[in-house]
Amino acid sequence: QKEVEQNSGPLSVPEGAIASLNCTYSDRGSQSFFWYRQYSGKSPELIMFIYSNGDKEDGRFTAQLNKASQYVSLLIRDSQPSDSATYLCAVRGEAGGGNKLTFGTGTQLKVEL
Amino acid sequence: NAGVTQTPKFQVLKTGQSMTLQCAQDMNHNSMYWYRQDPGMGLRLIYYSASEGTTDKGEVPNGYNVSRLNKREFSLRLESAAPSQTSVYFCASSEVGSTDTQYFGPGTRLTVL
Repeated sequence: QKEVEQNSGPLSVPEGAIASLNCTYSDRGSQSFFWYRQYSGKSPELIMFIYSNGDKEDGRFTAQLNKASQYVSLLIRDSQPSDSATYLCAVRGEAGGGNKLTFGTGTQLKVEL
Repeated sequence: NAGVTQTPKFQVLKTGQSMTLQCAQDMNHNSMYWYRQDPGMGLRLIYYSASEGTTDKGEVPNGYNVSRLNKREFSLRLESAAPSQTSVYFCASSEVGSTDTQYFGPGTRLTVL
């Protein structure tokens, strides 16, 4: 059973602070890693994807991947109340296994004024 | 572009009734997916279709059937609904390529009484 683990939260941060969201995965052959944001009652929307070890930055968001330790994280700088949502980590398995993703249960983020 | 559309948005069924959830995408994607999302369980893959004419079981296929009608449409059928199938159902599509990103529809909230 391939697993993706996330702390369910809620993670509360003050406005303007850095929010750090973490995800670990069990399948060492995993190839691609995705962060989705899901507002209450809405569908997941992609924030970022990362394939290679290291950091990838996109605006206020930075994804970090460490394949040796099997974890991926998402940093949100200058957090805003509009960032309050559930963040889903998703992992794609080994090459040749199709585009199937395994999702974590999500971390609820609350950005407080 | 509408992206991924799903119908209906809401549905209430009685135990034993049948229904079909419809999904269509206008992004010319080859791959399509059906997920269910339950509190505390995250997104779980029910069935997927890697390309037109193929379908495969995901993590939780029991009680469901699917049809890939053409490249655009992928339907999910509940033959005899059970209360355990009360959930939010999301359809997604993706194109195999540099990102493998899955794009989600707005979801169907299904209640089985």
